[in-house]
Amino acid sequence: NAGVTQTPKFQVLKTGQSMTLQCAQDMNHEYMSWYRQDPGMGLRLIHYSVGAGITDQGEVPNGYNVSRSTTEDFPLRLLSAAPSQTSVYFCASSSTGGRNSPLHFGNGTRLTVT
Amino acid sequence: DAKTTQPPSMDCAEGRAANLPCNHSTISGNEYVYWYRQIHSQGPQYIIHGLKNNETNEMASLIITEDRKSSTLILPHATLRDTAVYYCIVRPYSGAGSYQLTFGKGTKLSVIP
Repeated sequence: NAGVTQTPKFQVLKTGQSMTLQCAQDMNHEYMSWYRQDPGMGLRLIHYSVGAGITDQGEVPNGYNVSRSTTEDFPLRLLSAAPSQTSVYFCASSSTGGRNSPLHFGNGTRLTVT
Repeated sequence: DAKTTQPPSMDCAEGRAANLPCNHSTISGNEYVYWYRQIHSQGPQYIIHGLKNNETNEMASLIITEDRKSSTLILPHATLRDTAVYYCIVRPYSGAGSYQLTFGKGTKLSVIP
C-alpha cells in the first residue's frame, strides 16, 4: 500500500517558471490538502479539497492553484514561481477531513526557486 | 484555536519509556488532541489521537488528564529510530480550521544509546 505519493522529490526552478507538484493517494480518501514547511514557521495549509470537484483555500493560497478531478489525485500548480516559494511541500490525505480522521502525509517535494 | 505548549527538547535512554508532555489549557470540550512526529527530511507521521479517554495503539499511548488541559505521549520502549520532532496538536471542532492541523515547534526527542 503506497499511501500518499508525491513527485518529484526535488525540483529547482528559475523565477517565473511554472510547474506542477503531483500528489496521489491510493486509500480512497475524500480529503486531500497541501502544506508548505519553512524553517521556524511550522506547516502552513495552502489549499485543500473535501472531494472530487471541490477545493478551497487555506492559510497561504497566493501563488498556487489546485484542482481535484479525481479522488486519487490533487496536483498543486505554481504558475509563476518566486523565490518566496522555496520550501518543502507536503501533501496529506484523510478519509473524511473531520476532526476524528487522521491526516496521512507524503514525504514531500523540496522546491528551490532561484 | 487552542494553543499547545511543549518543551523544546528531551533526551531518553534507548529502551526506556519516553514521556512527552503537552499543555493545552484552552482546549474546548469537543476538540481532539493529536500527536505527530517528523523524522528528519520526511513527512509528518501520525501517531495517535484522543478526545477524553486514554488511547493506545501499536506505536504509543496517549494519556489525557481528566480536565483535558494536558496530555502525555508515551513511547514505551524508545529506540534510536524514535529520534524525531514530536508535535502535539489540538484540532478545532468545525469550519476550515478543523481541516487544518496547526503545527507548533514541537519537542525534539533524542534517544541516546
